[in-house]
Amino acid sequence: NAGVTQTPKFRILKIGQSMTLQCTQDMNHNYMYWYRQDPGMGLKLIYYSVGAGITDKGEVPNGYNVSRSTTEDFPLRLELAAPSQTSVYFCASSPSNTEAFFGQGTRLTVV
Amino acid sequence: GQNIDQPTEMTATEGAIVQINCTYQTSGFNGLFWYQQHAGEAPTFLSYNVLDGLEEKGRFSSFLSRSKGYSYLLLKELQMKDSASYLCAVRGGDYGQNFVFGPGTRLSVLP
Repeated sequence: NAGVTQTPKFRILKIGQSMTLQCTQDMNHNYMYWYRQDPGMGLKLIYYSVGAGITDKGEVPNGYNVSRSTTEDFPLRLELAAPSQTSVYFCASSPSNTEAFFGQGTRLTVV
Repeated sequence: GQNIDQPTEMTATEGAIVQINCTYQTSGFNGLFWYQQHAGEAPTFLSYNVLDGLEEKGRFSSFLSRSKGYSYLLLKELQMKDSASYLCAVRGGDYGQNFVFGPGTRLSVLP
């Protein structure tokens, strides 16, 4: 089972560039999440989705956008990269009443 | 508001028992989850409680008191491979849909 798959694993962006972090899950989970984790810190929720076509902001949404056109995919878009967005990004999915399953993460550096 | 607290760091000896505490104040409650995260890796699910009491899974146990907003993770027969960060998370939000994470507790197991 693939579970939650994130691409790319690593990326270096220049300030002002844009990129999309891809996330797909094959477990038919309704709930999907994007978190960022800064060094030595916990996970901060960026955006989440409770089903296809429905998204909402989390704790730290500024500078990011998401879409959820299918149950499987939940891409995260950075429009104008800034050094403050240097972080590790985790995508996760969950059924309605149990634990979240995480992808392997994307390590992003903005220079 | 939402707030989850954990000790920042703990140290224990191989073969010993360690208890990692977590206190929380969140809007909505749909379970308390514990994750393990090794450096540079994704969080992996350990245990969860939705009702008060103790849940045991091999060397790991987790306890919940909803009235006190308190949980702990108990690790027995510590092994060197247990050196990792342990994340406490509450599934909450207005519809019980989001996972809010604490800052994590970095556990070092010494020989």
